[in-house]
Amino acid sequence: NAGVTQTPKFQVLKTGQSMTLQCAQDMNHEYMSWYRQDPGMGLRLIHYSVGAGITDQGEVPNGYNVSRSTTEDFPLRLLSAAPSQTSVYFCASSYDTEAFFGQGTRLTVV
Amino acid sequence: GQQVMQIPQYQHVQEGEDFTTYCNSSTTLSNIQWYKQRPGGHPVFLIQLVKSGEVKKQKRLTFQFGEAKKNSSLHITATQTTDVGTYFCAGPKGSNYKLTFGKGTLLTVNP
Repeated sequence: NAGVTQTPKFQVLKTGQSMTLQCAQDMNHEYMSWYRQDPGMGLRLIHYSVGAGITDQGEVPNGYNVSRSTTEDFPLRLLSAAPSQTSVYFCASSYDTEAFFGQGTRLTVV
Repeated sequence: GQQVMQIPQYQHVQEGEDFTTYCNSSTTLSNIQWYKQRPGGHPVFLIQLVKSGEVKKQKRLTFQFGEAKKNSSLHITATQTTDVGTYFCAGPKGSNYKLTFGKGTLLTVNP
């Protein structure tokens, strides 16, 4: 099992550009989430999904879109990147208790 | 809204010393989870506590859940260099898949 796979691992964007962070899991988990991690801020929930076709906002959703067309995939879209979105992004999936995290995407917006 | 506070933010110890991080929630939790993140890595699940007053051990790690289910602690006995990393507590907001994380405690160990 690959677990939770995120791509890319690193990305540099210019302000105003758009991009999609990919997340895929092969554990057939219903629940998937996106978090951002900033120094001294812990992990903050951006968006989450409880199953294919169902998404909802977390704590810091502004500037991000998500969709969940399949159980396996949960991409995160940055519509118009801003320097405030420079962060490390983690995708996670879970069945009930334990959250499995991907390796993360380190995004820099210049 | 629900807040999860964690102290200390940083802790530096000599190898062999003990270490404790504390987690406090503004609301009663149905359970609490602990994660470890190695430098440059991703969070990895350590344990979940569910019952009031519960104590669980994993080798040198001891986890406690308070009687009121609003606080928790992680204690490491005789730290080793392999214990280096950031330890997070997390409480569910409604359901286990919506976790509110504390800001974490970064542990560094001097060999």
